[in-house]
Amino acid sequence: DTAVSQTPKYLVTQMGNDKSIKCEQNLGHDTMYWYKQDSKKFLKIMFSYNNKELIINETVPNRFSPKSPDKAHLNLHINSLELGDSAVYFCASSQSGTGAPEAFFGQGTRLTVV
Amino acid sequence: DAKTTQPPSMDCAEGRAANLPCNHSTISGNEYVYWYRQIHSQGPQYIIHGLKNNETNEMASLIITEDRKSSTLILPHATLRDTAVYYCIVRSSSNTGKLIFGQGTTLQVKP
Repeated sequence: DTAVSQTPKYLVTQMGNDKSIKCEQNLGHDTMYWYKQDSKKFLKIMFSYNNKELIINETVPNRFSPKSPDKAHLNLHINSLELGDSAVYFCASSQSGTGAPEAFFGQGTRLTVV
Repeated sequence: DAKTTQPPSMDCAEGRAANLPCNHSTISGNEYVYWYRQIHSQGPQYIIHGLKNNETNEMASLIITEDRKSSTLILPHATLRDTAVYYCIVRSSSNTGKLIFGQGTTLQVKP
């Protein structure tokens, strides 16, 4: 059973296209995230949703639009793809509350824009 | 969240203990120390976290100094599969849950 699953695993597309990446978690968590890992391997948070509500929106171009239809899903839609969007995108989830619960990550979606 | 400093790379012989240091001198009272690792081409994997006390689980041990300004992750018997980038992250329990990743330490376990 995969805890956090992303589809597709690989995505190659042309500049200017619109694409979506899907994420699902079966851990019962109420918070989900999108992280981006660029070619220099830096991992940086993009968005976070808690109970379908956007709580983190880092300085990400508005071509990126996350959507959370329910607590178990967080999708990422990217419009007008650019070469610089090429990266590995990771979805993660955690449970909010007291303490500091750990986050679980998906296996990533490698996006290549040509 | 406090900033962390880690050595960029370390080597360890297979079967020996790997001790990965992390400095977090500006850590505040409500901030936890987390360790994650990323094996090549995979998603980050949670290892362990702690607040004040030393912690141990099936993967590793976390030793936090009394002043909490530094910590050490210990992999007791490193295997080749432990070769990865290890990230030390400080995060408060009151923040939104986001993790701020630094450059981490690339641990190379050698036969």
